[in-house]
Amino acid sequence: DAGVTQSPTHLIKTRGQHVTLRCSPISGHKSVSWYQQVLGQGPQFIFQYYEKEERGRGNFPDRFSARQFPNYSSELNVNALLLGDSALYLCASSFIERTSGNTIYFGEGSWLTVV
Amino acid sequence: SQQGEEDPQALSIQEGENATMNCSYKTSINNLQWYRQNSGRGLVHLILIRSNEREKHSGRLRVTLDTSKKSSSLLITASRAADTASYFCATGRGGSNYKLTFGKGTLLTVNP
Repeated sequence: DAGVTQSPTHLIKTRGQHVTLRCSPISGHKSVSWYQQVLGQGPQFIFQYYEKEERGRGNFPDRFSARQFPNYSSELNVNALLLGDSALYLCASSFIERTSGNTIYFGEGSWLTVV
Repeated sequence: SQQGEEDPQALSIQEGENATMNCSYKTSINNLQWYRQNSGRGLVHLILIRSNEREKHSGRLRVTLDTSKKSSSLLITASRAADTASYFCATGRGGSNYKLTFGKGTLLTVNP
């Protein structure tokens, strides 16, 4: 079975532009979360979606938005890109909403460079 | 802000030696998960330990959890060069624990 898949793997954008990152969870997983990892740091939680509804949001500005589709895949959108948005964006999926006792699986990430 | 803090920040050992990494956290948790990350790649799940568990094993990995001290340790026995990676602990809290909170990680280098 395929793991969590993300696209694109690498991309370069200019300040002020918009970016869309995509994620397909593991088959059967209904919860998708997004994390941002800047160089030298651990991942930071951005969003969680479950059954197409936003269930949690981290401390990120409104330039960040996401959605989940009926097939449970997800998109992360970032508007008005800043240099500081350069990071590895990780998507994670889990079987049920709560992390209690449930393994959370991560994809390989999308490397975003803003110039 | 990040709840977990891994210690040490960097660890260099020889193949065959054991590697121990520690993680401390600040608030109550429901579970703690350890992940490995090779340079520039995604996170690979290693072990999940629940708050009512004290120790878990998986192959060459042993994880302990001490909720009274709010700390966990990851032991890798008989290390290999392929174990070279960054290791992160991530905590999930009770209630709305859909979110994992990560530390900054320990960079482990295993020299052949």
